[in-house]
Amino acid sequence: EAQVTQNPRYLITVTGKKLTVTCSQNMNHEYMSWYRQDPGLGLRQIYYSMNVEVTDKGDVPEGYKVSRKEKRNFPLILESPSPNQTSLYFCASSFSGRTYEQYFGPGTRLTVT
Amino acid sequence: EDKVVQSPLSLVVHEGDTVTLNCSYEVTNFRSLLWYKQEKKAPTFLFMLTSSGIEKKSGRLSSILDKKELFSILNITATQTGDSAIYLCAVGRSFGNEKLTFGTGTRLTIIP
Repeated sequence: EAQVTQNPRYLITVTGKKLTVTCSQNMNHEYMSWYRQDPGLGLRQIYYSMNVEVTDKGDVPEGYKVSRKEKRNFPLILESPSPNQTSLYFCASSFSGRTYEQYFGPGTRLTVT
Repeated sequence: EDKVVQSPLSLVVHEGDTVTLNCSYEVTNFRSLLWYKQEKKAPTFLFMLTSSGIEKKSGRLSSILDKKELFSILNITATQTGDSAIYLCAVGRSFGNEKLTFGTGTRLTIIP
């Protein structure tokens, strides 16, 4: 089944404890992206990647890191999480010529206390 | 600063009604406007519009773009309870800049 998977789906952590949210897709998509969704602010793009070893900042990259060492994986790293990073996070992927038709993962609910 | 503004923020109608959702934008190097539907969790793609005046249709949903006035509308006719969702508008930029900027969404609730 074609899908985007994220892990974990729910995470409660404490300020400053490094964490990684994994994202994997099995559709051979070149383009992958991370978003956060907050009430009243909508979906905001954190980082995106056009292909392996090619990443670029979205609208809200501060406090996040990404890497794209393999085509199928695009992990999101929070080196020192803070409470303002409490949010619902989505990973998405698409073919590079169709970046508008993105397939979204199920979401990761992150709470930083 | 690039902006995508959706209205209304929330809409409650009865089953069978027709609704119109609005999306206006101010974006550098505009390439395309996208509509997504978000039910329980992950958004799903509905339409992409790149040219003014050409209506895209899918069943009871249709959308049109006005690049001169910088807005798009999404129409849903004969609404059903399954149309209840958040509808997201997003704008993509020209090739070489693949950022997507989303609006805050319109929450549509259909009452049986």
